[in-house]
Amino acid sequence: DGGITQSPKYLFRKEGQNVTLSCEQNLNHDAMYWYRQDPGQGLRLIYYSQIVNDFQKGDIAEGYSVSREKKESFPLTVTSAQKNPTAFYLCASSPYGETSTGQDFYEQYFGPGTRLTVT
Amino acid sequence: AQKITQTQPGMFVQEKEAVTLDCTYDTSDPSYGLFWYKQPSSGEMIFLIYQGSYDQQNATEGRYSLNFQKARKSANLVISASQLGDSAMYFCAMRELWMDSSYKLIFGSGTRLLVRP
Repeated sequence: DGGITQSPKYLFRKEGQNVTLSCEQNLNHDAMYWYRQDPGQGLRLIYYSQIVNDFQKGDIAEGYSVSREKKESFPLTVTSAQKNPTAFYLCASSPYGETSTGQDFYEQYFGPGTRLTVT
Repeated sequence: AQKITQTQPGMFVQEKEAVTLDCTYDTSDPSYGLFWYKQPSSGEMIFLIYQGSYDQQNATEGRYSLNFQKARKSANLVISASQLGDSAMYFCAMRELWMDSSYKLIFGSGTRLLVRP
């Protein structure tokens, strides 16, 4: 089955430790994304990668880092510099596509998420 | 400025009835796309429906339809014949041009829908 996997589902860390969240996709999508969701809120973009070895900061990149060495993988590291790391983290990927009217489609497919708790 | 606004933090609907979830947006880009996602308690985001700004007809996907009113900048989600499994958070999102050649999704704050038996 094609899809996006994130591991682990729940993660607990002590304050001051770096932690890496895994994201793997076998959909052959070029673009991959990391979002953060806080309780009762929508998603905010952390980082985005359009192709291998290239990525851009999103709206809330401070305290986070990423790598994109393979098309299938886009791990996110939450560093000790992130002041409020406790949140739900969602990874997504998207293909390129067009609708019948010729517009870009860019539907994003999401993984199941990782809930990170830092104490 | 808020680009996607969902004014209903929570809604109730009786099973088998229809419900409309509101979404308004703000953009100056003539080419844009609007999405609705469902997020059950498990946390995964499930794509429901998409509307492109040039699409002449309102999008429909099974029990989901999108009431697209371009002049009013609204893209309301209509769920017909509600089921208990429809209880979830619903997010409206807009595709926005970013970095001149890429796109990102801007999400609203969501509406929590509870379906009553």
